[in-house]
Amino acid sequence: GIQVEQSPPDLILQEGANSTLRCNFSDSVNNLQWFHQNPWGQLINLFYIPSGTKQNGRLSATTVATERYSLLYISSSQTTDSGVYFCAVELTSYDKVIFGPGTSLSVIP
Amino acid sequence: DVKVTQSSRYLVKRTGEKVFLECVQDMDHENMFWYRQDPGLGLRLIYFSYDVKMKEKGDIPEGYSVSREKKERFSLILESASTNQTSMYLCASGELSSYNSPLHFGNGTRLTVT
Repeated sequence: GIQVEQSPPDLILQEGANSTLRCNFSDSVNNLQWFHQNPWGQLINLFYIPSGTKQNGRLSATTVATERYSLLYISSSQTTDSGVYFCAVELTSYDKVIFGPGTSLSVIP
Repeated sequence: DVKVTQSSRYLVKRTGEKVFLECVQDMDHENMFWYRQDPGLGLRLIYFSYDVKMKEKGDIPEGYSVSREKKERFSLILESASTNQTSMYLCASGELSSYNSPLHFGNGTRLTVT
């Protein structure tokens, strides 16, 4: 089956720093999503991004489908950015959505 | 806003009990999913459904079954609960056939089997 990898597994940032999280996938996908799981366990969708670049405030994401990777950029990090970031891929239409192992981010003041 | 509601936030059951986890979404989404999340293992897909009465196995369906009698409701059933099914269970819904339709998650049910 498809393999979804994320790097780095853990990241500690000083408040205000920038970071890049990476998601690699081993096969063609129909779409890709990024999620943030906050310390209380709630999963929030950040981006739906099968290809191209999107921006939402301090966050942006880029997916290069032909090279099978996606990047999530966090700029001017804040303590509320702490949590786990997951990428998730859908293989084909009406198919299962598979999650990567996540990147655990801690932003310290 | 899309709302995905899971019936219980915390649940404690005994080994061998039959357990029902309920999930309801209010956006008429076609697709619904059940995941379990365990430390170090991430989110693993148990079952998913793309229409009423349709179900597909995910990566770890053993020991579980599902029911989708109505579009808005997707139930996860543990036929005979075991201690290794102690976990956080997350339900999600989405309209994956549509462009730019993300998955929406419920708050999760933390199940403990003793």
